[in-house]
Amino acid sequence: GEDVEQSLFLSVREGDSSVINCTYTDSSSTYLYWYKQEPGAGLQLLTYIFSNMDMKQDQRLTVLLNKKDKHLSLRIADTQTGDSAIYFCAESPDDYKLSFGAGTTVTVRA
Amino acid sequence: ETGVTQSPTHLIKTRGQQVTLRCSSQSGHNTVSWYQQALGQGPQFIFQYYREEENGRGNFPPRFSGLQFPNYSSELNVNALELDDSALYLCASSLPVPQGNGYTFGSGTRLTVV
Repeated sequence: GEDVEQSLFLSVREGDSSVINCTYTDSSSTYLYWYKQEPGAGLQLLTYIFSNMDMKQDQRLTVLLNKKDKHLSLRIADTQTGDSAIYFCAESPDDYKLSFGAGTTVTVRA
Repeated sequence: ETGVTQSPTHLIKTRGQQVTLRCSSQSGHNTVSWYQQALGQGPQFIFQYYREEENGRGNFPPRFSGLQFPNYSSELNVNALELDDSALYLCASSLPVPQGNGYTFGSGTRLTVV
């Protein structure tokens, strides 16, 4: 099974905020990541956070990291129809690989 | 700066056959990793190549093998294909110890085994 866990689905109204949650297992991960995958496409890096940070903001994206609980979240402000996609949380337990969750499918409704 | 390119984009093979997938790394990157993404799942790490040698491997059987060439491009070979090998195969290039934004993924090869 997955070491990184995410809820599978999120439905949000256009213009509202989306919050996607993730729990990970490896406390030694140097970076934690959020990737976006649109239908039929590869992975696009959305943002990442260094493990010694609690929060990172990048335009509409806010990442919160709780190292004690091994919890990572991604908030998307003012969600748009173009934000409909699958979002993957990933940890880096070793220098040479990423471990991904199963992905959260975000559906934006008008 | 060119990104990661993978070929072919789609492929259909018969159970028992062999397949070779190709990946060209991003300019300036000398490390290539391969991931398998089954339908409805997250990508699973297969292996990584650095300096033309395998640098780490996930939980995949030996019939999954790879190569890296002097120009840093890479191949993924799968022998004795099984139906469960049907998946999107993603290649990512990086430096040996990537910083936060260090992995660049290709668009993948969709393999269907019938």
